[in-house]
This record gives sequence, C-alpha cells and structure tokens, in this order.
Amino acid sequence: RKEVEQDPGPFNVPEGATVAFNCTYSNSASQSFFWYRQDCRKEPKLLMSVYSSGNEDGRFTAQLNRASQYISLLIRDSKLSDSATYLCVVNKGGSYIPTFGRGTSLIVHP
Amino acid sequence: GAGVSQSPSNKVTEKGKDVELRCDPISGHTALYWYRQRLGQGLEFLIYFQGNSAPDKSGLPSDRFSAERTGESVSTLTIQRTQQEDSAVYLCASSLAGIGATEAFFGQGTRLTVV
Repeated sequence: RKEVEQDPGPFNVPEGATVAFNCTYSNSASQSFFWYRQDCRKEPKLLMSVYSSGNEDGRFTAQLNRASQYISLLIRDSKLSDSATYLCVVNKGGSYIPTFGRGTSLIVHP
Repeated sequence: GAGVSQSPSNKVTEKGKDVELRCDPISGHTALYWYRQRLGQGLEFLIYFQGNSAPDKSGLPSDRFSAERTGESVSTLTIQRTQQEDSAVYLCASSLAGIGATEAFFGQGTRLTVV
C-alpha cells in the first residue's frame, strides 16, 4: 500500500459546482497534513494545512479523519482558476519529511 | 532572494555524463528537501537536510545520486553517469524547521533531460 493515495481523476466539473477529494494515508503515526496545489509545469504551493478540528479558508474546507486515516478537501463554487492538480501531503511517520500523494487533477469548465 | 532559487532551470545532458543541480533556500530556513517528479507522476522524496544533523538519504534511488549542503545554505544534488530514466524535474524545497507543521516552499525546479 502506498504511503499516501489519491484518486488521480481528472475531475471535470462546471463552474459553480462543489467538488470533493479524498486522500488516504497508511502510517497511523503521521502528524501533519496539508493540501498543496500544483499548476501545470509549475512548482507545488501550499493551499492549506489540515487541522484535527477541520478548517475552512473561503471556498475551501479541509477535514481530517484519524480513525479512518484520510483527509478531504472540499471546494465550493468552483472557479475556472481552480483548475490544477491538488496534492495531499502527509508527514512521514517518525520524522518530518513531507510525503506527497500523486495528486488529483481538477478541470473546471465554463 | 525572496524565494527558493534553483539552477539551471533546464539541463540537457548526454547519457553517462555527470550533472550538478543547485538549490538556494530561503534565508533562515534550516530544513531543505530534494524531490524528483517524473512526467505525470507525483513527487518522489530524495533527501532531507535539517541544520547540521546528518541528512536523511533514504530516498536516493541509487549510489549515482548524492547531495551536499553547507550549513544552512546552498545545496547541490549530483547525479553521476546519468541514465535516461533520470529525466525528470528535480524540485528543491525549504522550510523554517524540520517540524512538518511548517510550510515547505518550492523552487521552480530543474528540468533534466538525458538524451
């Protein structure tokens, strides 16, 4: 089983739609969780951290379920500019090395 | 500079040659990471430096790969006797500390093509 698994997609949604991605991780000792965004041929950039209590940043909501070892990202009112690959990031258990999932591709169309 | 800087941005080399990739982290960032991203794939961890501690080299794919970092400054990733499968984007990132709760900032990467 891979350390961090994501559905690669692509998720193809119209503007204004709500879309959700899940990510599962294998190491129960993992402590830090993030969502990064990567545009085509660009470097990854932090979208948001994921806290145990869940957190929201505008149209974006992230949640963590430790019991089932998954994190989620919900995007409401999708914009064309949300089109990108969303990377789930979990720190490597026992150390602080970020482990990246393969990413989920989102395409928002008019 | 304000961000992580990598050079060169692109490198084309012949199979069997050695290459050296450079990363200038954000000033003050003690943690530095190298990742590799093949076309259409996720980020593959290579090596991690934290301050003056021994680096975590657990991700290096073979002994042809090595990396160095002087203190908390510049890092170089060296690939000896390059192979076509080494073709990828090599990304460097730095963060304030080794604690995973801090944001990792990435450079724009070096696109390596082995012909």
